[in-house]
Amino acid sequence: DSGVTQTPKHLITATGQRVTLRCSPRSGDLSVYWYQQSLDQGLQFLIQYYNGEERAKGNILERFSAQQFPDLHSELNLSSLELGDSALYFCASSSPGGGEGNEQFFGPGTRLTVL
Amino acid sequence: GQSLEQPSEVTAVEGAIVQINCTYQTSGFYGLSWYQQHDGGAPTFLSYNGLDGLEETGRFSSFLSRSDSYGYLLLQELQMKDSASYFCAVRDGTSGTYKYIFGTGTRLKVLA
Repeated sequence: DSGVTQTPKHLITATGQRVTLRCSPRSGDLSVYWYQQSLDQGLQFLIQYYNGEERAKGNILERFSAQQFPDLHSELNLSSLELGDSALYFCASSSPGGGEGNEQFFGPGTRLTVL
Repeated sequence: GQSLEQPSEVTAVEGAIVQINCTYQTSGFYGLSWYQQHDGGAPTFLSYNGLDGLEETGRFSSFLSRSDSYGYLLLQELQMKDSASYFCAVRDGTSGTYKYIFGTGTRLKVLA
């Protein structure tokens, strides 16, 4: 158990809909990262927040947005969903100092299925 | 553009040694990390190389050569539980900002 929690574990929805994925980082961690992993694919970095502010951005679609709240939990919003958005979405967190190599601790993921 | 290349699959027998290579093409390089992911599970951090050379953690070692844009993960005394996917990753700092890039992963199969 990494200490990072994600809800829900599974989500099934239809094309065109909007969903919100939630992540709570490890106690004391200020950074939250979001990744997308499609079937048999690597991890695609979406976005990073640090203490409520956007810190780094990957290839995140305009239909996707995220935020980090004062209590440091984060939400990833996916809208106008398409079939291709079906994937595992991971959240990760890291300690304020970054740690050796900025070690990231991953949550169990949310499996999104768009029908 | 930025990219990391790894072999897609490696097979070895229990007790053997296996090396998983990673070559990268980035700018503003901030070190190479390795993660392990079992089927259905979340990635877990294995090691990090910020400088050239070998880092050892138990049965796992990782190596980096910045001049060659190359690194590898070495797994010794393979066990069945090592069957998993292994990803190399970099923090790539280009254009005044940075992002995290993961390789496509190497699926390791350990045979009895």
